Amino acid sequence: GQNIDQPTEMTATEGAIVQINCTYQTSGFNGLFWYQQHAGEAPTFLSYNVLDGLEEKGRFSSFLSRSKGYSYLLLKELQMKDSASYLCAVSIYNTDKLIFGTGTRLQVFP
Amino acid sequence: GAVVSQHPSRVICKSGTSVKIECRSLDFQATTMFWYRQFPKQSLMLMATSNEGSKATYEQGVEKDKFLINHASLTLSTLTVTSAHPEDSSFYICSARAILAGGQTSTDTQYFGPGTRLTVL
Repeated sequence: GQNIDQPTEMTATEGAIVQINCTYQTSGFNGLFWYQQHAGEAPTFLSYNVLDGLEEKGRFSSFLSRSKGYSYLLLKELQMKDSASYLCAVSIYNTDKLIFGTGTRLQVFP
Repeated sequence: GAVVSQHPSRVICKSGTSVKIECRSLDFQATTMFWYRQFPKQSLMLMATSNEGSKATYEQGVEKDKFLINHASLTLSTLTVTSAHPEDSSFYICSARAILAGGQTSTDTQYFGPGTRLTVL
């Protein structure tokens, strides 16, 4: 079966750094996506990792360790608008399917 | 960038009726579209993979006779919730994978529609 876990909720302060973890146990792992979703809206693409290591994109960075089945999303210089749900999703080899994790609701306080 | 639209954005219907939701890729072609369901405060659950010109592939536990999927063209997939009941009330989201020039799909180009909020009374 496929199992993807994230913390349910996190809080942080404006200007701070927060790390959202994602662990997975899946068959046919091809790569890992991170999406941001505001309430009532569709997910928007943040990052995609295939190889081990850190991918940096502005204030957001994503890390992957394939051997450990682990990824994290790092958000720097937090802003109020970063309050949203963050979803990690595993791409399954040879199917194009995405299996989503449970999602992490992040609240940023002033 | 690639844009995916969904129609309607919200629909309220009576129990027992059928509801059709459209998913369109506006500026690209998509041989494959995906349909997800999301309950409040939960993550997205993949319901089915919609393939242009062939039958949809349903995930385990999803009733194919209740959730009819038609992918009639490279830019349109429809999901029909038949004989809807209150427990079908949910947020339905589609996504589409873009075909790049040369026929290659890119793994970082799955685009999501804005979603359809279905309420069954």
